[in-house]
Amino acid sequence: GDSVTQMEGPVTLSEEACLTINCTYTATGYPSLFWYVQYPGEGLQLLLKATKADDKGSNKGFEATYRKETTSFHLEKGSVQVSDSAVYFCAVNRDDKIIFGKGTRLHILP
Amino acid sequence: DTAVSQTPKYLVTQMGNDKSIKCEQNLGHDTMYWYKQDSKKFLKIMFSYNNKELIINETVPNRFSPKSPDKAHLNLHINSLELGDSAVYFCASSHSGRGTDTQYFGPGTRLTVL
Repeated sequence: GDSVTQMEGPVTLSEEACLTINCTYTATGYPSLFWYVQYPGEGLQLLLKATKADDKGSNKGFEATYRKETTSFHLEKGSVQVSDSAVYFCAVNRDDKIIFGKGTRLHILP
Repeated sequence: DTAVSQTPKYLVTQMGNDKSIKCEQNLGHDTMYWYKQDSKKFLKIMFSYNNKELIINETVPNRFSPKSPDKAHLNLHINSLELGDSAVYFCASSHSGRGTDTQYFGPGTRLTVL
């Protein structure tokens, strides 16, 4: 079945550091790929998405590129802020079902 | 205006009790979902409804019974609560349930079973 593997956390970085959170997926066909973010005490919200190969999703300085050849959708940001501290979920959605990765907790130190 | 709302936000109850969580969305979406998030933040889909019709039922114990009186509401009733039911339950909605759709999540209901 479909699955998503993302790097274990927590990830702790200093403000203005570069961020990469790895995500790979297994799925047949051409799923849509998502990154959702969960801030403390809140529900998940969409950060970015890509619906076909080579698409790049971007939002709030975060980017991820749909790589069909490596079945990856790594999340990147060039300069993180304290306000980026949250749990990040990679997800794959095919047909009517979304499968989430286990989440990566990110701590940004001032 | 809150797009997806859930009540209550917190629910503390004894084993064996029956409880309900309510969800409403004002986005005009056709599809609604229930997710369970465990203590390690792992998020798993439980049910989805499209226009009041059950679409996904992910081998959830039949103590859990979703009910959708209309497409803007999806409630979750849980019978005979067990310790392992303690988790955060999230409601979500999407426009049509298609693979490209964004899902919009409620703020969650933290259920604690003592």
